Amino acid sequence: DAKTTQPTSMDCAEGRAANLPCNHSTISGNEYVYWYRQIHSQGPQYIIHGLKNNETNEMASLIITEDRKSSTLILPHATLRDTAVYYCIVRTSGTDKLIFGTGTRLQVFP
Amino acid sequence: DGGITQSPKYLFRKEGQNVTLSCEQNLNHDAMYWYRQDPGQGLRLIYYSQIVNDFQKGDIAEGYSVSREKKESFPLTVTSAQKNPTAFYLCASSRVDLTNEQFFGPGTRLTVL
Repeated sequence: DAKTTQPTSMDCAEGRAANLPCNHSTISGNEYVYWYRQIHSQGPQYIIHGLKNNETNEMASLIITEDRKSSTLILPHATLRDTAVYYCIVRTSGTDKLIFGTGTRLQVFP
Repeated sequence: DGGITQSPKYLFRKEGQNVTLSCEQNLNHDAMYWYRQDPGQGLRLIYYSQIVNDFQKGDIAEGYSVSREKKESFPLTVTSAQKNPTAFYLCASSRVDLTNEQFFGPGTRLTVL
């Protein structure tokens, strides 16, 4: 599975967009990009995933660069409840394993 | 309500004792997973199962055992052979398809004294 690189931590003001970057320069053609988040002492929560097209759902948007070597998760209007660790994961199609790194700790402040 | 339950939330055991963590899901998912999380770290896969009566080792299976006798249940036993069992244990389930969105339980925090 391709490895991902994320910043250790980020801050965001409440109501602003939070843009969380992820590098996955060794990603191959059949590998999906997944985003999960984990609020302290809870189980991770699925946010969104994509292969090469940009994706949007009720929680967030996922922007994947044309060369697929990086992506950005966008929370359009961050709230205090979005404070969590966000994990960017690359998964090979047809496998069931998600390899979690250490993620980005997002702190949303008032 | 559909979901995954893990019990108990906190568990204390003496060193040298085996302990079994429960995980139950009513989502009708075929696949189930066990992860371990240490402080400040990401999740590491212990075991996973894609179908009843079958399971595979993950990246850190040593000192652990599982069973999958029913689709809804995937208990994890932490044996005395596990050198550092104190950790946060998370169970997840998913459909076996291209999406593989995994749904996680609330976790069990195991402390071995």
